[in-house]
Amino acid sequence: SSELTQDPAVSVALGQTVRITCQGDSLRSYYANWYQQKPGQAPGLVIYGKNNRPSGIPDRFSGSSSGNTASLTITGAQAEDEADYYCNSRDSSGNHVVFGGGTKLTVL
Amino acid sequence: QVQLQESGPGLVKPSETLSLTCTVSGGSISSYYWSWIRQPPGKGLEWIGYIYYSGSTNYNPSLKSRVTISVDTSKNQFSLKLNSVTAADTAFYYCARGRTTVTTLDLWGRGTLVTVSS
Repeated sequence: SSELTQDPAVSVALGQTVRITCQGDSLRSYYANWYQQKPGQAPGLVIYGKNNRPSGIPDRFSGSSSGNTASLTITGAQAEDEADYYCNSRDSSGNHVVFGGGTKLTVL
Repeated sequence: QVQLQESGPGLVKPSETLSLTCTVSGGSISSYYWSWIRQPPGKGLEWIGYIYYSGSTNYNPSLKSRVTISVDTSKNQFSLKLNSVTAADTAFYYCARGRTTVTTLDLWGRGTLVTVSS
């Protein structure tokens, strides 16, 4: 089991807002990063640090954190946002990297 | 722009050593953190370990006894060796760059499938 916990699946209606969460004790000390993975593709970074988007990532993607929970919010979800989303951060010791189990997002 | 490309055998026999290389093109390897991550088909991501360009390493505790990551700055490559493999090591293997922090993997290779089977 992972030190970072994600809901296995989440769905959202087209154009609505969805929040994907990542829980873990280490998130009280370290920021989470978020990755999007579409079928047959490598993961790609969508949010890093406090709330930063790499170049080319739409501003409908945002990140936040509170206590032991980090969140990825998609405001106005589009069909192309349907994908698996993974969080990562340091583990509770701070010495290693861990990934959450991933959340499959379905856009209805 | 900088690109990463994994290369190596797609089939490895049980108990043997899995060896992969990641070639960095369009930029220098002499900075940043360089990681290996794997993903069994249909499952989630697992961090294997990273190497800093200077050569310092850090491995997943669950794999540490079997993993070696090395860097060759003259060839702009870094490599993964995983010994004593079993079917459980069958996965897509990705190399990635950690630019701002070791966990912020901003650039990924396309991945390569390694199957462990006799």
